Order: sequence, then C-alpha cells, then structure tokens
Amino acid sequence: DGGITQSPKYLFRKEGQNVTLSCEQNLNHDAMYWYRQDPGQGLRLIYYSQIVNDFQKGDIAEGYSVSREKKESFPLTVTSAQKNPTAFYLCASRIRDRGTDTQYFGPGTRLTVL
Amino acid sequence: GNSVTQMEGPVTLSEEAFLTINCTYTATGYPSLFWYVQYPGEGLQLLLKATKADDKGSNKGFEATYRKETTSFHLEKGSVQVSDSAVYFCALAPDNQGGKLIFGQGTELSVKP
Repeated sequence: DGGITQSPKYLFRKEGQNVTLSCEQNLNHDAMYWYRQDPGQGLRLIYYSQIVNDFQKGDIAEGYSVSREKKESFPLTVTSAQKNPTAFYLCASRIRDRGTDTQYFGPGTRLTVL
Repeated sequence: GNSVTQMEGPVTLSEEAFLTINCTYTATGYPSLFWYVQYPGEGLQLLLKATKADDKGSNKGFEATYRKETTSFHLEKGSVQVSDSAVYFCALAPDNQGGKLIFGQGTELSVKP
C-alpha cells in the first residue's frame, strides 16, 4: 500500500526545545517537500529536496533544518530559533508524469508549542 | 512574481446547488495548474490538474479549465453534496522551478442539507 506517512499526528513541545517531524514515502518519488499551514492561510514552502543528499531552502526556511540521507525519508527539525512554530506541517512528494510534476501530500502533523 | 488569488470564503451552499470557486493566477511562461481539497484535520488531496492552455481537468464531478487569456482556473461542480464540504486550494507549478507549488489562500466550502 503505497503512500506518504507523517508521524506523529499531534505533537506537543515546550518552548525552546527542538523537535523533529517524520516524513516517509514508499512511492519511489525523487523529490520531497515540507510546507507549513497556518489557520485560514495557504501553504508556505519551508524546504525541498530533489535528490538524496541535496536540499534547498523554500520561502520560510529560517528556524528549520532538514536532511535527506535516504530517498524514502525527509525529516524536518523545528529548532528553538523558529519564532512561531505552532502550525500544521505537511510533507509532500513529487512524481513527474507525462511531463507534468504532481505533488502528493501526507496527512500532516499538528505541532503545538506550549 | 508568481501568485495565486482565490475568492474569499466561506462559501455556503445548499445541497444540489451549482458551485463556482474563482481562481486567477500570475505567472511567467506556462505553469501547470492544480486544485487540491483538504478535509478537516487532514492533508491535501489532489482533485484535478491541467498542464496547458484550454486543458480541462475533471474528477468526481468537479471541473476546471485552464484559461490563459484570462489567467484563470475556476473550479465548478454542477450539483454539490454535503460530503463536498472542505477547503479548496488552487495552486500553480511554475516552469523549471523544481516542481514547487504556489498556493492560493484556500476557499472554505460548506454545503447544507
């Protein structure tokens, strides 16, 4: 059963702590993405990776870090430098189909910093 | 730069009503266009897409046509159901930018029985 999994679904952390969000895909997609969603807003790109061991900053990378050691995995670390980390975080992977890039999303992780 | 603008919500309709959610975009070149749907507490699901001018994407009774002359990609459905209640996002993928997506702010749809 192919897909994108994110864990955990809900995550609570104290202010000042780093936290890592998991994203795994078994779709054999090369590219993976992290987005942040705030209430009533669209998605904003944090980081993306087009191949293993390479990644690029998106529009709001400050206070976040990523790694891409395996094709299947793209974890996101929310550091204490992120000023307002409480949000819904979505991971996606991308397939190129007949010349079109299409992203597919995981179920998301809701992070609450207390 | 690249941007997407959607009509503001919430949109409230009665069951079996006709739905239109407006989406216009600004982009250089020939972007691909997408509609995604998000049910409460879940991730986004791809609803439909179009890759070039005059293409029509369709799925589950929803349709949208890529109109380059008006830079629009409006979502339509002839008869909505209560189960269509969700937030709908219009997005574009600019040319040659690693498949990045630019999203509109989303439009909440509420369908009443």
